[in-house]
Amino acid sequence: QQQVKQSPQSLIVQKGGISIINCAYENTAFDYFPWYQQFPGKGPALLIAIRPDVSEKKEGRFTISFNKSAKQFSLHIMDSQPGDSATYFCAASLLNQAGTALIFGKGTTLSVSS
Amino acid sequence: DAGVIQSPRHEVTEMGQEVTLRCKPISGHNSLFWYRQTMMRGLELLIYFNNNVPIDDSGMPEDRFSAKMPNASFSTLKIQPSEPRDSAVYFCASSSGTVVFGYTFGSGTRLTVV
Repeated sequence: QQQVKQSPQSLIVQKGGISIINCAYENTAFDYFPWYQQFPGKGPALLIAIRPDVSEKKEGRFTISFNKSAKQFSLHIMDSQPGDSATYFCAASLLNQAGTALIFGKGTTLSVSS
Repeated sequence: DAGVIQSPRHEVTEMGQEVTLRCKPISGHNSLFWYRQTMMRGLELLIYFNNNVPIDDSGMPEDRFSAKMPNASFSTLKIQPSEPRDSAVYFCASSSGTVVFGYTFGSGTRLTVV
């Protein structure tokens, strides 16, 4: 499988702080980069996604920054809240290929302390 | 819609026994994916189906693992014989054929092999 490398493995942030999670990919053909959020006992759920034709996408407190030349992208969570405590997975895929499988990073466990 | 339904939620079995995990995808979704989650390896893609046909099983760890999708509303993942290193959470996910709409994951089956 083409790899997606994610860091850090775990992250502790104070309430109101900024959480930053980074990912790097290898396959330059990838053209879709989502982030999934997983709460304990649940399956991952789509949080936000970006395509490589833009360098940034923002939805509320969540922002993806994308650097095509470096083959890296990151998730920024502004004003982090205790309810954001979860495991976050970055992923990569080919957008226009039906049934294409997402390749996930290993995940980052985020704890937001109150 | 009840979402992706996986059964059982928890399974404890003895080494050497056969284990069958079940998944009912969302009606109308034509792609189905099996992932395995462990702390060490994160979310690993095992196999995926498109229109009930297996597309890529390169992630299946060895011949002890097999998966079937006899129809659009049911899939199984079988491990025979099971080993302690197979202990993990197994997720089934379905999608409508293009990743942009996201995967819907089930709640997973936590497998413990003793």
